[in-house]
Amino acid sequence: AQSVTQLGSHVSVSEGALVLLRCNYSSSVPPYLFWYVQYPNQGLQLLLKYTTGATLVKGINGFEAEFKKSETSFHLTKPSAHMSDAAEYFCAVSGLNNNDMRFGAGTRLTVKP
Amino acid sequence: EAQVTQNPRYLITVTGKKLTVTCSQNMNHEYMSWYRQDPGLGLRQIYYSMNVEVTDKGDVPEGYKVSRKEKRNFPLILESPSPNQTSLYFCASSLVREGHEQFFGPGTRLTVL
Repeated sequence: AQSVTQLGSHVSVSEGALVLLRCNYSSSVPPYLFWYVQYPNQGLQLLLKYTTGATLVKGINGFEAEFKKSETSFHLTKPSAHMSDAAEYFCAVSGLNNNDMRFGAGTRLTVKP
Repeated sequence: EAQVTQNPRYLITVTGKKLTVTCSQNMNHEYMSWYRQDPGLGLRQIYYSMNVEVTDKGDVPEGYKVSRKEKRNFPLILESPSPNQTSLYFCASSLVREGHEQFFGPGTRLTVL
């Protein structure tokens, strides 16, 4: 069974500062890992995903995440925050089956001018 | 445009009054799923379907029903809604393939008085 823990329900950064959103997972099989973003009054959209291969994954809007098997982590980063990055971010893990996908509780990112 | 649509987007109803939330996708995806999103709990799966006429319970199925008579549609039925079903609901679809991401609808905000 898969599970996800997102550390920090709220993260606040200044515009231009580094964004770091933490995600740790538990999985009984090699995991597939995802980050989704949810803007206000919208559904979730995929930022990036890790399946196999390179452990540093680049996504949309300048975000990237690194899969670290030894730490069971998949933290999301962006070098310089923009006001438009303010949203809720969800980390998700899945195993071999589509119905195995499990989501973290989410992290709300606030960007201060 | 490839998308998942849900209707209605907003719904206020009273306890016990049957309702249906529709979900439709135009990507020819085999897999469809319903989630509810509650603060601090992330997304929890209600029901899912691997293909037409194949449905199964997720983590929180009590009080809900689904059907999958056509590949593109996956309605969520609340036969006797209760206030604890007040939530934000998302429909999602995906190919049945390891590591494939899910595509989400815009959400339905339901309030049960």
